[in-house]
Amino acid sequence: DTAVSQTPKYLVTQMGNDKSIKCEQNLGHDTMYWYKQDSKKFLKIMFSYNNKELIINETVPNRFSPKSPDKAHLNLHINSLELGDSAVYFCASSHTGNSGNTIYFGEGSWLTVV
Amino acid sequence: SQQGEEDPQALSIQEGENATMNCSYKTSINNLQWYRQNSGRGLVHLILIRSNEREKHSGRLRVTLDTSKKSSSLLITASRAADTASYFCATSLTGGGNKLTFGTGTQLKVEL
Repeated sequence: DTAVSQTPKYLVTQMGNDKSIKCEQNLGHDTMYWYKQDSKKFLKIMFSYNNKELIINETVPNRFSPKSPDKAHLNLHINSLELGDSAVYFCASSHTGNSGNTIYFGEGSWLTVV
Repeated sequence: SQQGEEDPQALSIQEGENATMNCSYKTSINNLQWYRQNSGRGLVHLILIRSNEREKHSGRLRVTLDTSKKSSSLLITASRAADTASYFCATSLTGGGNKLTFGTGTQLKVEL
């Protein structure tokens, strides 16, 4: 069973479109994240939710809107897509505690904006 | 700028050799973690070392942490072709909550 699953895995879309990436985790974790990895493999956190509440919101354009309907899901909606949004988006989750916050990643969603 | 900078950016070795990757960071940390990313896949957690630990082992992996130098190293012994991947260090900053900041990564290639 996949622990953190995200869909779609590949997404090719035109500039200006709106798209969503869905994420679900079955690990019982209380914290979920979205990370963006660019073409140079630089991985940067975008958002973090703890028990459905926004905890971290890095400097991300407000065209990106995360939504957490429950603590097992964190979806990412992107409005008015731009060429620079092309990247791999990783959903992840963790359990907040003394274990050191090990993060479990999904397999990534490859977004290409043309 | 990046909290974690890794060195080297790329490393190519022969199967059976040891591979060493280094990570430097800038500010005080709670712990440092190493992750592996195979091509086209997500990141997988390898090992975590806390700020009060100096060395940790897990199978063929050995991690060291020097908080005075703000650096860590990951040693993979007796490398295998299957170890070919990108390796990232990630730091959990003091007072940073549950945020992990990732380094720039080292691309390791193990050749037969």
